[in-house]
Amino acid sequence: DTEVTQTPKHLVMGMTNKKSLKCEQHMGHRAMYWYKQKAKKPPELMFVYSYEKLSINESVPSRFSPECPNSSLLNLHLHALQPEDSALYLCASSQDRGPNQPQHFGDGTRLSIL
Amino acid sequence: GQQLNQSPQSMFIQEGEDVSMNCTSSSIFNTWLWYKQDPGEGPVLLIALYKAGELTSNGRLTAQFGITRKDSFLNISASIPSDVGIYFCAGQDVAGNMLTFGGGTRLMVKP
Repeated sequence: DTEVTQTPKHLVMGMTNKKSLKCEQHMGHRAMYWYKQKAKKPPELMFVYSYEKLSINESVPSRFSPECPNSSLLNLHLHALQPEDSALYLCASSQDRGPNQPQHFGDGTRLSIL
Repeated sequence: GQQLNQSPQSMFIQEGEDVSMNCTSSSIFNTWLWYKQDPGEGPVLLIALYKAGELTSNGRLTAQFGITRKDSFLNISASIPSDVGIYFCAGQDVAGNMLTFGGGTRLMVKP
């Protein structure tokens, strides 16, 4: 079982809906990440939070809005998504952003946009 | 974005056979990681390599960090049906703990 917990596991939403993805870890990790993964492809980095501050935004459209309320939680707020945004959204965490700190992934949220 | 060159893209083997896959890069990495992803799940860390030349085992899995720091391989010995999945290599840079992933190797095992 993964120590990074993501909810919901599946989400179907229309293009006008607003929804949020949640990620939680209790390993004391101070770096957290959002990735997008399309079928048969590797994960693509979206956002990086370090010590609850956004440190990297990989040119992600503003319809994706990350939030880090505290060191254990990471949210991804979704609004006005497009069909091409359908994908597996993965959260990961690491001790910090220093060297030799491997990232550990959750099981993801499978998102489908109608 | 950038990807590492991971090969082979897919393998279909008989149970009990050994498996080998590798990743190469034009850039130097300080850490190499190997993950396995099952359908409907996230990538699970199998082995982490931190030093050039390092050879590390985890059960039937063995991975090596290439001496040039530009490549890594993963071997699986005596494959079993539960080895089925997609294996990703990832290189980790020095500065910001960013991962660069390989394209994945899809492993299928015939009982």
